[in-house]
Amino acid sequence: QVQLVESGGGLVKPGGSLRLSCAASGFTFSDYYMSWIRQAPGKGLEWVSYISSSGSTIYYADSVKGRFTISRDNAKNSLYLQMNSLRAEDTAVYYCAREDTAMVEYWGQGTLVTVSS
Amino acid sequence: QSALTQPASVSGSPGQSITISCTGTSSDVGGYNYVSWYQQHPGKAPKLMIYEVSNRPSGVPDRFSGSKSGNTASLTISGLQAEDEADYYCSSYTSSSTFRVFGGGTKLTVL
Repeated sequence: QVQLVESGGGLVKPGGSLRLSCAASGFTFSDYYMSWIRQAPGKGLEWVSYISSSGSTIYYADSVKGRFTISRDNAKNSLYLQMNSLRAEDTAVYYCAREDTAMVEYWGQGTLVTVSS
Repeated sequence: QSALTQPASVSGSPGQSITISCTGTSSDVGGYNYVSWYQQHPGKAPKLMIYEVSNRPSGVPDRFSGSKSGNTASLTISGLQAEDEADYYCSSYTSSSTFRVFGGGTKLTVL
């Protein structure tokens, strides 16, 4: 069955960096688009970034553009999110998600990122 | 401010029907049949309930249905059950540079 397992979350100071990883299994990773979606504590879902199956097409939310970088390694069945210049408002649970234009069909369980001094 | 507009809360009694609206623009909801709906229980990851406006994934009860008119999509839950109490989010593909947008979420309370 499809599994998406995030890792790399934790506590980081404002201005710091963190790299999230997502290990995918149960499907042919290289065939699918992927996204990162986040949810601040007590708040709604916010789409963060998208990457096409080959990695050639990438989109970012305006709130993270220029600070976050999405990437993937199809040989390792892994998705990444490099987060730089972190702000308090980036505090959230970050979900790895298997993306389709029509829907987000599968979600990981999420990893918590806390930005605080 | 979310890109798609949903009511903050709705409520209904067991057995009743409720409808949650999701209003966007011609660049997202109104322009494409790529509206999806997600259910989220506290502390859990979201779960896909409806895709492509009105299609249900395997395993989702037929009590859940979706529709769209113009720039507004709707999720209807009929025969409300206690386990339907959760947060519900709509989402759409968007032709803007950002690819996907979500609604702010609606808290469903089963009285």
